This record gives sequence, structure tokens and C-alpha cells, in this order.
Amino acid sequence: GQQVMQIPQYQHVQEGEDFTTYCNSSTTLSNIQWYKQRPGGHPVFLIQLVKSGEVKKQKRLTFQFGEAKKNSSLHITATQTTDVGTYFCASTGFQKLVFGTGTRLLVSP
Amino acid sequence: GAVVSQHPSRVICKSGTSVKIECRSLDFQATTMFWYRQFPKQSLMLMATSNEGSKATYEQGVEKDKFLINHASLTLSTLTVTSAHPEDSSFYICSAKTRGVDTGELFFGEGSRLTVL
Repeated sequence: GQQVMQIPQYQHVQEGEDFTTYCNSSTTLSNIQWYKQRPGGHPVFLIQLVKSGEVKKQKRLTFQFGEAKKNSSLHITATQTTDVGTYFCASTGFQKLVFGTGTRLLVSP
Repeated sequence: GAVVSQHPSRVICKSGTSVKIECRSLDFQATTMFWYRQFPKQSLMLMATSNEGSKATYEQGVEKDKFLINHASLTLSTLTVTSAHPEDSSFYICSAKTRGVDTGELFFGEGSRLTVL
């Protein structure tokens, strides 16, 4: 079945440092979505990428979809304490959304 | 934006009892709802896909008789954990897709934390 792995599992940065999480699939993905889940909260949709090599930006967040559509990355520039949470990539296949393993980000002031 | 409400947010029950969790789309019609389970510091695991007016489709390894799903209307899906045991303690989250143009985005409920004593 479809498996989506994320690295790293956990990262602790100082406020102002950059952060990147990588998402890798064993199979070609039709699309990639990114979600953020704050501690104790529910996942919140950030973005969806569909095209090979696509890059999208949301303020300090940059999302990239690989050329082969098997990997994706989320990069946060100059992290802030409000960026704390777990970031999940996810992909739809057979009409259902499968989540990656997630990267937990901790930002120290 | 689309709002999905889940109730109850927290529930504690005794082993052997059944617990019902409701998931409502408040301002849109959801033809499809998904139920996920999340253990502490782990990812969301899809349990089943619920389609309005038809039987739910369960993921491999999820017991249909244990986790009863009903999607009786376009705005309501329920998950009933029957004869709950401590190992069923988890965070259960529902999500929904809108009926209109499919942007791919899923809208999630706030989640329900179940503790079975």
C-alpha cells in the first residue's frame, strides 16, 4: 500500500533559524498536501501541490513537489514560536487521504 | 471557510461500554467523511471512509463490528466504539470533503479524546 515517510521525526530549533521537513513516497503521488497540527489540536490544511516540480510560497513557508512526484518538502524561513506543531504531508489515492509520519517542530525563543 | 464540528471533545468511559462520537459539517454538505485515529505523537491513521447513504468502507485491520460508522445525512456522520476497552483509548478525528468543486482540501473536526478505564 501507499506509504509516505517524513524526515526528520522531530526538530528543535532556535527562533529565527530555518526549518525543513521532507516527505518521501515509495510510489508516484497524484498530489501532495501539507497540514499543520498544533499540540492538542486538529490538522489544518496548508496547501496542495499537483504539478511535477511545483513550488508554492505562503509568506515564510515554501512548498515544493519533486519532479518525479515522489517527494515533497516544506521549508520555513526564520521560524517563530507560533510555528510550533507537527507538520504532516498527505496524499490522496483511491479517494482517501493518507498521511505521512509527520515532523514535530519545537521552536525555542 | 467550511466548519466541521465534532462532539464530544473528551469522553471517559468504563470498559465494556459503547461510546458514540458525532461529526457534523456545519455550513456545507459533505458527501464523504473520513474517520481517523491518532495515538500520542503519531500520525493519523485512516480507519474508514463514510459515504452518505451507503455503507462505510473500512481500512484493512479495522474491525467493522467494533467501530460502527453511520452517515445518515449529508451533514452528519457518527462513529460508535462498541464494547470499548483500554486499548481503544485514542484521539479520534473526523474530516469531510465538500460537495462542490473538489479542491482536495479536507476540513477536520476538533477531535474526540477517548479514555477507556
